[in-house]
Amino acid sequence: AQSVTQLGSHVSVSEGALVLLRCNYSSSVPPYLFWYVQYPNQGLQLLLKYTTGATLVKGINGFEAEFKKSETSFHLTKPSAHMSDAAEYFCAVSDRVPGSNTGNQFYFGTGTSLTVIP
Amino acid sequence: EAGVAQSPRYKIIEKRQSVAFWCNPISGHATLYWYQQILGQGPKLLIQFQNNGVVDDSQLPKDRFSAERLKGVDSTLKIQPAKLEDSAVYLCASSLQDYGYTFGSGTRLTVV
Repeated sequence: AQSVTQLGSHVSVSEGALVLLRCNYSSSVPPYLFWYVQYPNQGLQLLLKYTTGATLVKGINGFEAEFKKSETSFHLTKPSAHMSDAAEYFCAVSDRVPGSNTGNQFYFGTGTSLTVIP
Repeated sequence: EAGVAQSPRYKIIEKRQSVAFWCNPISGHATLYWYQQILGQGPKLLIQFQNNGVVDDSQLPKDRFSAERLKGVDSTLKIQPAKLEDSAVYLCASSLQDYGYTFGSGTRLTVV
């Protein structure tokens, strides 16, 4: 069974500083990995995803994440934090089986709340 | 492309009352999901539909929760009777056969 661990439920960074949000997963099959962002009173928005191919994945708003199989990690980074990045971030793993036509089931981490300090 | 529509946005009810949430997925998305997100936690899958059939409802508290997806399009999630611990945001999502969901804005339920 898949599971996701997000280290640090709250992260604070100064505006312009590096953002690093940590995610580790466990999966019995090659995983598909995702980062979602949730702004207050809104649904989840996909930031980026890793399915196959290049392990460094670039997403929206300047975020990127690197899939490291040996470390079972998929940490999210952004070189320079902006005030608008303050939100809740969720890492998720999918158990989609290649060739399946029944869609994905996602397992979410408990989230990391990012605060950006002016 | 229109997004996933959910209504209502907010609902406050007393315990033991019933409540229903509605979701209209993105046109053409065969798979529809209902998630429950309790404050401070990640979303938890309640039920997954493929067209109008149930793929997974293993985490749906069937003694009080029910869901249907008539004609493989819109879906309704019902709680009857509600308990205090049902206070949460209920998120609907839909997907094609790719590797990402589109989520609706959710319905925030408060049970008092």
